[in-house]
Amino acid sequence: AQSVTQLDSHVSVSEGTPVLLRCNYSSSYSPSLFWYVQHPNKGLQLLLKYTSAATLVKGINGFEAEFKKSETSFHLTKPSAHMSDAAEYFCVVSPGTYKYIFGTGTRLKVLA
Amino acid sequence: DGGITQSPKYLFRKEGQNVTLSCEQNLNHDAMYWYRQDPGQGLRLIYYSQIVNDFQKGDIAEGYSVSREKKESFPLTVTSAQKNPTAFYLCASSIDQGLAKNIQYFGAGTRLSVL
Repeated sequence: AQSVTQLDSHVSVSEGTPVLLRCNYSSSYSPSLFWYVQHPNKGLQLLLKYTSAATLVKGINGFEAEFKKSETSFHLTKPSAHMSDAAEYFCVVSPGTYKYIFGTGTRLKVLA
Repeated sequence: DGGITQSPKYLFRKEGQNVTLSCEQNLNHDAMYWYRQDPGQGLRLIYYSQIVNDFQKGDIAEGYSVSREKKESFPLTVTSAQKNPTAFYLCASSIDQGLAKNIQYFGAGTRLSVL
């Protein structure tokens, strides 16, 4: 069965320090993987997408994620956090067309 | 601007009432989806539609109904059978070809509360 686990429900970082949001997945096939961001009372916005072209995926707003098949991980990183990064982040695995499995989310808090 | 429009932004339901949430897209996407979001639970799929006049139940379809009469529109009705409807509802769409293949695009959501 396919699944996705976001290892931290809350992460706090200071402004200007690195961000690491962790995601592990389980899939029988080579899935597509996504990270989305959601600001309060808003819809989800795509940060980046992995589809096997390259293991290191660069997204918007300075975020990137590395696909590690041996570890079944797809962690999201950013070198330097900004106050505007405070939001909830969702890791999503798509094992096939029209199928999406969402993680439970990680709420990122950025401290001044 | 291309995108997905959900309305209303806030909706209140009385006991025993059916309410309908609107979702319209001008992205020319074939597939559309409805999700329910509760705190700490991520998104759960209610219904999805791959094409006009066809739709499938998701994981939590009980108490909800949908229609897909036009490609651009996928309204969701929360019926009186849904005993705990208070949640944030998100509509999404996707296309299964091209550079945007398999990427879901989301509306801004509708927050439903019970009076």
